[in-house]
This record gives sequence, C-alpha cells and structure tokens, in this order.
Amino acid sequence: GESVGLHLPTLSVQEGDNSIINCAYSNSASDYFIWYKQESGKGPQFIIDIRSNMDKRQGQRVTVLLNKTVKHLSLQIAATQPGDSAVYFCAENTYQGAQKLVFGQGTRLTINP
Amino acid sequence: SAVISQKPSRDICQRGTSLTIQCQVDSQVTMMFWYRQQPGQSLTLIATANQGSEATYESGFVIDKFPISRPNLTFSTLTVSNMSPEDSSIYLCSVEGWGRTDTQYFGPGTRLTVL
Repeated sequence: GESVGLHLPTLSVQEGDNSIINCAYSNSASDYFIWYKQESGKGPQFIIDIRSNMDKRQGQRVTVLLNKTVKHLSLQIAATQPGDSAVYFCAENTYQGAQKLVFGQGTRLTINP
Repeated sequence: SAVISQKPSRDICQRGTSLTIQCQVDSQVTMMFWYRQQPGQSLTLIATANQGSEATYESGFVIDKFPISRPNLTFSTLTVSNMSPEDSSIYLCSVEGWGRTDTQYFGPGTRLTVL
C-alpha cells in the first residue's frame, strides 16, 4: 500500500552545520511532494515543495532533492540555526480522485549550540 | 498569506462527552481538510470538507464519530463525539493553497485531552 516514511526518527546537528533529512515514498504515481516543519505546539508550516518533473529545488537555506528511481526525497538545511529545531515531515500528494496528502512519520531535528 | 485559526486551542474533556472544534480562514477556500495527530505521531487525514456537500471520510473514520460541517467558504467544524481517552490528540484543519491547489496550509491545531 502507499506509505511515506523516514529513515531516521531523530537527528542532532551542531549549529552552523548542514543537515539532511531523508524520506522514502512508495507510491510511484505521486507527482508532488512537500516538506513541512512543525514546531512544538504549532501546526505544520510549509517549507518547500517539488514536482516529479524536477530533481532539485532550492529555497532560502533549504534544498529539496527528489530521486524518482529509488523513490527518495531529502531536505537539506544549510547553516542550521537554533530556530530550525523542529519535527520535519515529508508528504506526498497521491491524487486519489482528489487532492490527498500522505505524511511520513517525521524526523525530530535538534540543533546543538 | 491567509490566516487560519482554530478554537479552542486546547481542551480537557471527560469521557463520553463531545467537543466541537472550529476552523476559520480569512479568505475563501474550496477545500478544507481535518487531520488527527496522535501523541508523537504523524498526521492522518480524517476527512475532506467541501462547501455545499457532505464531507468525504477516510478509511477508519466515520461520520457518527467525527461529524463535520462546512456552512460557507471560510468556516468548518469538526465534532469529536462520545470521546474516550484514545481520542486524545491534536486535531488540525488545513486548506488548499491559494493558487497552489496541490499544497495545504495548516491551522495551529487543537490539543485535546480526554480523561
């Protein structure tokens, strides 16, 4: 069945370092992917998205990479800051007759001073 | 960007009671969604709510337990009925993106604890 999962549930990095959060998806029919950031006590916040006709998309300090061959998605955060500490979710839009987002399990990113 | 608000932000309820959660958007949207996020877990879609039609529920969620209203293009409610401790979760509403209908933007969530 369809599922979106993450390789690592937790990740700790030093402030200023780069971080990479990974995600595997299983629905090869999905053609749109989103990364969300959820801080404690808040709702998920849209970070960046990518369509399946792209391999890479860059935003401010964030880059999303998509490898359709192995159905893998990653989020790279450059020069991490304390405010980057949060849980990060990937989501795929499976378009089952209508828009439907399927979320991965999430990775908790902790930035160490 | 538009503002999405939810009421209440949190509540503690007794077993067997019901709670209605409100979601208000400051711009009109066609599609609104309700999610459940159990403690330490990811988000699971409960239902999709379009104005003027019955909500569409995902597998494992039924209308008797989670009735939804969508009276206009800026407002929706989710009721958690006959609650048990297993219903303790964060309940989130989301809306489709403005001009980006593939994307969803989320409200702040309602943290529900059932005793």
